[in-house]
Amino acid sequence: QKEVEQDPGPLSVPEGAIVSLNCTYSNSAFQYFMWYRQYSRKGPELLMYTYSSGNKEDGRFTAQVDKSSKYISLFIRDSQPSDSATYLCAMSEANAGNMLTFGGGTRLMVKP
Amino acid sequence: GAGVSQSPSNKVTEKGKDVELRCDPISGHTALYWYRQSLGQGLEFLIYFQGNSAPDKSGLPSDRFSAERTGGSVSTLTIQRTQQEDSAVYLCASSLVLGSYNEQFFGPGTRLTVL
Repeated sequence: QKEVEQDPGPLSVPEGAIVSLNCTYSNSAFQYFMWYRQYSRKGPELLMYTYSSGNKEDGRFTAQVDKSSKYISLFIRDSQPSDSATYLCAMSEANAGNMLTFGGGTRLMVKP
Repeated sequence: GAGVSQSPSNKVTEKGKDVELRCDPISGHTALYWYRQSLGQGLEFLIYFQGNSAPDKSGLPSDRFSAERTGGSVSTLTIQRTQQEDSAVYLCASSLVLGSYNEQFFGPGTRLTVL
């Protein structure tokens, strides 16, 4: 079993929909939780990061971390065709050189 | 400003050949990471350099893989005697090291195909 599990999708939604992306993990030492967006043939770019449990909002994006359930989520409101990409969750332990452990990624398609 | 750059963008090689992949990190970033992204395995950590410290090689899959970082800047990932299972996108990332969390900035990757 992988340390970080993520549904690969693809997830297809109409423009304007609310999108929910999720990851589960098994390593209780993870302290930092990140969501990356990756367009085809590009490197991942950081969307959001959170430390420990709680919510964080940035524009149309909200990240949630529930450490008790070892479950993290990313919500995208008012989704746009430009949001079509692969979304990767990533996690790291404190004081571990920030080596990231990634989920497999969820491919999202937002249809106009 | 300039981001992380990698070269070549694509590399096709024959099984058994050696390849070298290059990464130019963002100027001033002291930490440099190599990851591999392949179908079915996702994105996997390979090796981490921080300043003048000994690199963390814990993610290298075999002794055919090695990496060096010269002058605290440019890094080269070398794969000897390539195998078909080495086919993947090799991603480099760099970061400043200011605290316990430091954002990693990724390059566009080198797509390696081993025939």
